[in-house]
Amino acid sequence: DTGVSQDPRHKITKRGQNVTFRCDPISEHNRLYWYRQTLGQGPEFLTYFQNEAQLEKSRLLSDRFSAERPKGSFSTLEIQRTEQGDSAMYLCASSSPDQAPYEQYFGPGTRLTVT
Amino acid sequence: GESVGLHLPTLSVQEGDNSIINCAYSNSASDYFIWYKQESGKGPQFIIDIRSNMDKRQGQRVTVLLNKTVKHLSLQIAATQPGDSAVYFCAERGSNDYKLSFGAGTTVTVRA
Repeated sequence: DTGVSQDPRHKITKRGQNVTFRCDPISEHNRLYWYRQTLGQGPEFLTYFQNEAQLEKSRLLSDRFSAERPKGSFSTLEIQRTEQGDSAMYLCASSSPDQAPYEQYFGPGTRLTVT
Repeated sequence: GESVGLHLPTLSVQEGDNSIINCAYSNSASDYFIWYKQESGKGPQFIIDIRSNMDKRQGQRVTVLLNKTVKHLSLQIAATQPGDSAVYFCAERGSNDYKLSFGAGTTVTVRA
Protein backbone atom coordinates (compact mmCIF):
# COMPACT_ATOMS: atom_id res chain seq x y z
CA ASP A 1 0.00 0.00 0.00
CA THR A 2 1.54 3.29 -1.04
CA GLY A 3 -0.92 5.62 0.68
CA VAL A 4 -0.52 7.70 3.82
CA SER A 5 -0.20 5.53 6.91
CA GLN A 6 -0.72 6.44 10.55
CA ASP A 7 0.15 4.64 13.73
CA PRO A 8 -1.46 3.78 16.04
CA ARG A 9 -4.99 3.65 14.68
CA HIS A 10 -6.48 3.90 18.15
CA LYS A 11 -5.08 5.20 21.42
CA ILE A 12 -6.75 5.27 24.81
CA THR A 13 -4.92 7.19 27.49
CA LYS A 14 -5.58 8.65 30.89
CA ARG A 15 -5.78 12.36 31.43
CA GLY A 16 -2.38 13.83 32.08
CA GLN A 17 -0.41 11.26 30.10
CA ASN A 18 1.67 12.06 27.03
CA VAL A 19 0.93 10.48 23.67
CA THR A 20 2.78 10.42 20.36
CA PHE A 21 1.38 9.63 16.94
CA ARG A 22 3.28 8.84 13.78
CA CYS A 23 2.47 9.63 10.15
CA ASP A 24 4.23 8.22 7.10
CA PRO A 25 3.31 10.24 3.99
CA ILE A 26 3.33 9.08 0.41
CA SER A 27 7.03 8.70 -0.38
CA GLU A 28 7.43 11.41 -3.04
CA HIS A 29 5.31 13.98 -1.19
CA ASN A 30 7.27 16.78 0.45
CA ARG A 31 4.29 18.46 2.11
CA LEU A 32 2.69 17.01 5.22
CA TYR A 33 -0.32 18.26 7.17
CA TRP A 34 -1.93 17.43 10.49
CA TYR A 35 -5.65 17.94 11.07
CA ARG A 36 -7.94 17.21 13.99
CA GLN A 37 -11.48 15.97 13.58
CA THR A 38 -14.07 15.77 16.33
CA LEU A 39 -17.25 13.75 16.03
CA GLY A 40 -19.64 15.13 13.45
CA GLN A 41 -17.31 17.90 12.33
CA GLY A 42 -15.01 18.44 9.40
CA PRO A 43 -11.24 18.24 9.87
CA GLU A 44 -9.54 21.33 11.33
CA PHE A 45 -6.03 22.32 10.30
CA LEU A 46 -3.34 22.00 12.96
CA THR A 47 0.03 22.36 11.27
CA TYR A 48 1.92 21.97 7.99
CA PHE A 49 5.44 20.94 6.97
CA GLN A 50 7.33 21.44 3.76
CA ASN A 51 10.16 18.95 3.91
CA GLU A 52 11.46 19.23 7.49
CA ALA A 53 10.37 22.84 8.00
CA GLN A 54 7.21 23.53 9.98
CA LEU A 55 5.76 26.47 8.10
CA GLU A 56 2.45 27.11 9.79
CA LYS A 57 0.73 26.29 13.07
CA SER A 58 -2.91 26.83 13.90
CA ARG A 59 -4.01 28.56 17.06
CA LEU A 60 -5.61 25.22 17.87
CA LEU A 61 -2.12 23.88 18.45
CA SER A 62 -1.56 24.79 22.09
CA ASP A 63 1.78 24.62 23.84
CA ARG A 64 1.02 21.05 24.84
CA PHE A 65 1.16 20.01 21.19
CA SER A 66 4.36 19.59 19.24
CA ALA A 67 4.95 18.22 15.77
CA GLU A 68 8.19 17.26 14.10
CA ARG A 69 9.38 16.01 10.77
CA PRO A 70 13.11 15.62 11.39
CA LYS A 71 14.22 14.14 8.08
CA GLY A 72 11.48 15.44 5.87
CA SER A 73 9.86 12.02 5.67
CA PHE A 74 7.69 10.73 8.53
CA SER A 75 6.21 13.08 11.12
CA THR A 76 5.26 12.76 14.76
CA LEU A 77 2.62 14.64 16.72
CA GLU A 78 3.03 14.65 20.49
CA ILE A 79 0.43 15.78 22.99
CA GLN A 80 1.67 16.38 26.51
CA ARG A 81 -0.51 16.29 29.62
CA THR A 82 -3.54 15.14 27.66
CA GLU A 83 -6.95 16.54 28.51
CA GLN A 84 -10.37 15.09 27.80
CA GLY A 85 -10.90 17.81 25.22
CA ASP A 86 -8.05 16.34 23.21
CA SER A 87 -10.20 13.33 22.37
CA ALA A 88 -10.55 13.38 18.61
CA MET A 89 -9.41 11.79 15.37
CA TYR A 90 -5.98 13.07 14.32
CA LEU A 91 -5.55 12.98 10.57
CA CYS A 92 -2.39 13.29 8.55
CA ALA A 93 -2.30 14.24 4.88
CA SER A 94 0.43 14.72 2.30
CA SER A 95 0.78 16.39 -1.07
CA SER A 96 3.31 16.97 -3.81
CA PRO A 97 4.24 20.30 -5.43
CA ASP A 98 4.53 18.43 -8.71
CA GLN A 99 0.93 17.30 -8.60
CA ALA A 100 -1.20 20.35 -9.30
CA PRO A 101 -3.44 21.43 -7.81
CA TYR A 102 -1.71 20.04 -4.73
CA GLU A 103 -4.32 17.46 -3.89
CA GLN A 104 -4.02 16.33 -0.29
CA TYR A 105 -4.16 12.60 0.39
CA PHE A 106 -5.35 11.65 3.86
CA GLY A 107 -4.35 8.75 6.05
CA PRO A 108 -6.84 6.68 8.07
CA GLY A 109 -6.30 8.73 11.21
CA THR A 110 -5.45 8.00 14.84
CA ARG A 111 -8.45 8.05 17.13
CA LEU A 112 -7.49 9.34 20.57
CA THR A 113 -9.68 8.80 23.62
CA VAL A 114 -8.66 10.52 26.84
CA THR A 115 -10.35 9.08 29.92
CA GLY B 1 -33.65 12.65 -7.68
CA GLU B 2 -33.04 14.04 -4.26
CA SER B 3 -31.81 17.61 -3.85
CA VAL B 4 -31.50 20.17 -1.14
CA GLY B 5 -31.40 23.91 -1.56
CA LEU B 6 -29.66 24.57 1.71
CA HIS B 7 -27.02 22.60 3.52
CA LEU B 8 -28.55 19.82 5.56
CA PRO B 9 -26.57 17.48 7.76
CA THR B 10 -28.24 14.35 6.37
CA LEU B 11 -29.54 13.21 3.01
CA SER B 12 -31.43 9.99 2.32
CA VAL B 13 -31.59 8.95 -1.33
CA GLN B 14 -33.05 6.01 -3.19
CA GLU B 15 -30.54 3.82 -4.98
CA GLY B 16 -30.35 4.84 -8.61
CA ASP B 17 -31.57 8.39 -8.02
CA ASN B 18 -29.39 11.47 -8.38
CA SER B 19 -28.11 13.26 -5.27
CA ILE B 20 -27.26 16.89 -4.76
CA ILE B 21 -25.22 17.99 -1.76
CA ASN B 22 -24.84 21.68 -1.03
CA CYS B 23 -22.16 23.65 0.73
CA ALA B 24 -21.71 27.33 1.54
CA TYR B 25 -18.17 28.66 1.81
CA SER B 26 -17.05 31.71 3.67
CA ASN B 27 -13.86 33.07 2.13
CA SER B 28 -14.33 34.99 -1.10
CA ALA B 29 -10.55 34.83 -1.62
CA SER B 30 -10.57 31.04 -1.84
CA ASP B 31 -9.41 29.88 -5.24
CA TYR B 32 -9.70 26.15 -4.98
CA PHE B 33 -12.58 23.98 -3.79
CA ILE B 34 -12.66 20.27 -3.19
CA TRP B 35 -15.19 17.63 -2.28
CA TYR B 36 -14.11 14.80 -0.01
CA LYS B 37 -15.90 11.58 0.88
CA GLN B 38 -15.33 10.03 4.29
CA GLU B 39 -16.45 6.51 5.10
CA SER B 40 -16.71 5.27 8.64
CA GLY B 41 -13.31 4.66 10.21
CA LYS B 42 -11.40 6.11 7.27
CA GLY B 43 -9.77 9.39 6.37
CA PRO B 44 -11.31 11.75 3.81
CA GLN B 45 -10.97 10.63 0.20
CA PHE B 46 -10.66 13.12 -2.67
CA ILE B 47 -13.61 13.11 -5.07
CA ILE B 48 -13.35 16.14 -7.32
CA ASP B 49 -12.05 19.69 -7.29
CA ILE B 50 -12.76 22.97 -9.04
CA ARG B 51 -10.85 26.21 -9.35
CA SER B 52 -12.50 29.56 -8.78
CA ASN B 53 -12.24 30.52 -12.44
CA MET B 54 -14.61 27.69 -13.35
CA ASP B 55 -18.29 27.19 -12.59
CA LYS B 56 -18.69 23.53 -13.45
CA ARG B 57 -16.52 20.44 -13.59
CA GLN B 58 -17.50 16.86 -14.29
CA GLY B 59 -15.96 13.60 -13.20
CA GLN B 60 -17.09 10.03 -13.25
CA ARG B 61 -20.72 10.13 -12.03
CA VAL B 62 -20.01 13.37 -10.17
CA THR B 63 -20.37 17.04 -11.08
CA VAL B 64 -19.30 20.02 -9.02
CA LEU B 65 -20.95 23.40 -9.49
CA LEU B 66 -19.52 26.65 -8.15
CA ASN B 67 -21.52 29.85 -7.72
CA LYS B 68 -19.12 32.55 -6.58
CA THR B 69 -21.82 35.20 -6.45
CA VAL B 70 -23.52 33.51 -3.50
CA LYS B 71 -20.45 31.53 -2.37
CA HIS B 72 -22.14 28.23 -2.92
CA LEU B 73 -20.76 24.87 -3.97
CA SER B 74 -22.67 21.72 -4.84
CA LEU B 75 -21.84 18.12 -5.60
CA GLN B 76 -24.12 16.11 -7.83
CA ILE B 77 -23.88 12.33 -7.80
CA ALA B 78 -25.57 10.52 -10.67
CA ALA B 79 -27.25 7.14 -10.20
CA THR B 80 -26.40 6.93 -6.51
CA GLN B 81 -25.12 3.54 -5.39
CA PRO B 82 -24.92 1.90 -1.93
CA GLY B 83 -21.16 2.49 -1.96
CA ASP B 84 -21.85 6.22 -2.05
CA SER B 85 -23.12 6.11 1.52
CA ALA B 86 -20.67 8.26 3.49
CA VAL B 87 -20.12 11.72 4.92
CA TYR B 88 -19.32 14.32 2.28
CA PHE B 89 -17.30 17.46 3.06
CA CYS B 90 -16.55 20.48 0.96
CA ALA B 91 -13.22 22.21 1.54
CA GLU B 92 -11.69 25.47 0.36
CA ARG B 93 -8.16 26.79 0.04
CA GLY B 94 -6.77 30.25 -0.56
CA SER B 95 -4.43 31.04 -3.46
CA ASN B 96 -1.46 31.68 -1.15
CA ASP B 97 -2.29 29.00 1.31
CA TYR B 98 -1.91 25.27 1.64
CA LYS B 99 -4.23 24.36 4.45
CA LEU B 100 -7.78 23.29 3.72
CA SER B 101 -10.81 24.69 5.54
CA PHE B 102 -13.60 22.17 5.72
CA GLY B 103 -17.31 22.85 5.82
CA ALA B 104 -19.93 20.97 7.78
CA GLY B 105 -20.41 17.46 6.46
CA THR B 106 -23.49 15.88 4.94
CA THR B 107 -24.21 12.25 5.76
CA VAL B 108 -25.61 10.51 2.71
CA THR B 109 -27.55 7.29 3.21
CA VAL B 110 -28.54 5.28 0.16
CA ARG B 111 -31.77 3.27 0.47
CA ALA B 112 -31.93 -0.02 -1.40
